[in-house]
Amino acid sequence: KAGVTQTPRYLIKTRGQQVTLSCSPISGHRSVSWYQQTPGQGLQFLFEYFSETQRNKGNFPGRFSGRQFSNSRSEMNVSTLELGDSALYLCASRGGTLNTEAFFGQGTRLTVV
Amino acid sequence: DQQVKQNSPSLSVQEGRISILNCDYTNSMFDYFLWYKKYPAEGPTFLISISSIKDKNEDGRFTVFLNKSAKHLSLHIVPSQPGDSAVYFCAAGEIIQGAQKLVFGQGTRLTINP
Repeated sequence: KAGVTQTPRYLIKTRGQQVTLSCSPISGHRSVSWYQQTPGQGLQFLFEYFSETQRNKGNFPGRFSGRQFSNSRSEMNVSTLELGDSALYLCASRGGTLNTEAFFGQGTRLTVV
Repeated sequence: DQQVKQNSPSLSVQEGRISILNCDYTNSMFDYFLWYKKYPAEGPTFLISISSIKDKNEDGRFTVFLNKSAKHLSLHIVPSQPGDSAVYFCAAGEIIQGAQKLVFGQGTRLTINP
């Protein structure tokens, strides 16, 4: 069974631009969560989607948004990029609403210059 | 307000000995806890989890202990192997109306010395 796939692996963007990251969950998994990892703040929860609906949201500004498609694939969008948005963005999938284990992808390393 | 804390940024252990990684939390509402292992520039790899209603869970060389009264959990790795060298994160989770949020500690870098 293939794991969680995130694309692209690496991305360099200029301040003020926007970016879209993609995540394909494990086959059969319907929940997708997004996390941001930075050296200073560690791993922080962004949001979770289940059945195309955002179910939970962390403490991030509205510039961070996401969506989930009917095939459970998810995208995360960051608009008006700031230097501080440089981070490793991780996507995790879990089987369903009662499953506790979340399985992570390799991440997308975003650098804002 | 850091709800999950891993107070040791690093730990060095001899190969073959026991590695003990610790984690403290403040929110008594957490339903379950997970341990992840992470290599640089990769996503965390799930190792083992424990429900808040249990005090021990074992999987091969990995055992997690939960002390709810002390709000403390620990991961034991026996015997430690060089491939175990990585950063270990503990995470605490709640599932509310089907939605999950994991709160992570800052991580402990484990180095296994030959």
